[in-house]
Amino acid sequence: TQLLEQSPQFLSIQEGENLTVYCNSSSVFSSLQWYRQEPGEGPVLLVTVVTGGEVKKLKRLTFQFGDARKDSSLHITAAQPGDTGLYLCAVSSISGNTPLVFGKGTRLSVIA
Amino acid sequence: GAGVSQSPSNKVTEKGKDVELRCDPISGHTALYWYRQSLGQGLEFLIYFQGNSAPDKSGLPSDRFSAERTGGSVSTLTIQRTQQEDSAVYLCASSLWWSSGNSGELFFGEGSRLTVL
Repeated sequence: TQLLEQSPQFLSIQEGENLTVYCNSSSVFSSLQWYRQEPGEGPVLLVTVVTGGEVKKLKRLTFQFGDARKDSSLHITAAQPGDTGLYLCAVSSISGNTPLVFGKGTRLSVIA
Repeated sequence: GAGVSQSPSNKVTEKGKDVELRCDPISGHTALYWYRQSLGQGLEFLIYFQGNSAPDKSGLPSDRFSAERTGGSVSTLTIQRTQQEDSAVYLCASSLWWSSGNSGELFFGEGSRLTVL
């Protein structure tokens, strides 16, 4: 059973459009992180959310942690080609026995 | 260097050969992690180190995989008798700390791409 489900798996949009990607689970987490990975590089941290209902903004990116701390969303406003990449969510379990577990990611392509 | 350094960046080997992948973490980072990423997939956790100790080795795919870390710094991931299904990008990351239920930011290297023919 996959701990984290990310959707959609693939997304191709035109420059200027808005989009939302999701990270869901049936488990409760102490914290959740979003990373972006570009081709040929390692993932880079975008944000960490720790409080249920928390909303964080990073320029055109808005991150939300679900009230029950089981899910999260990432919304991008007016997408640009530079947003292209693999968006990964990662969690530390409540039991804290394992380090970060990653979802399979959403592969975003923004076409100019 | 300032970031996590991995070598080799690319490795092509024949089935049955052994390979060693090296990771040099950010200086002062106590936690070090190995992940594997197959083509188009997410990250599969392999093993992590707190200092030189690996508390959980259950993520290693088989007994052909082993890892060590010496001096609280450099780590080596060794794959013996490589198989074609071992082909993937092996990513190393480090963080200042990791404690139960919480992780600091992970800083990743660019990965070692392994191709087994």
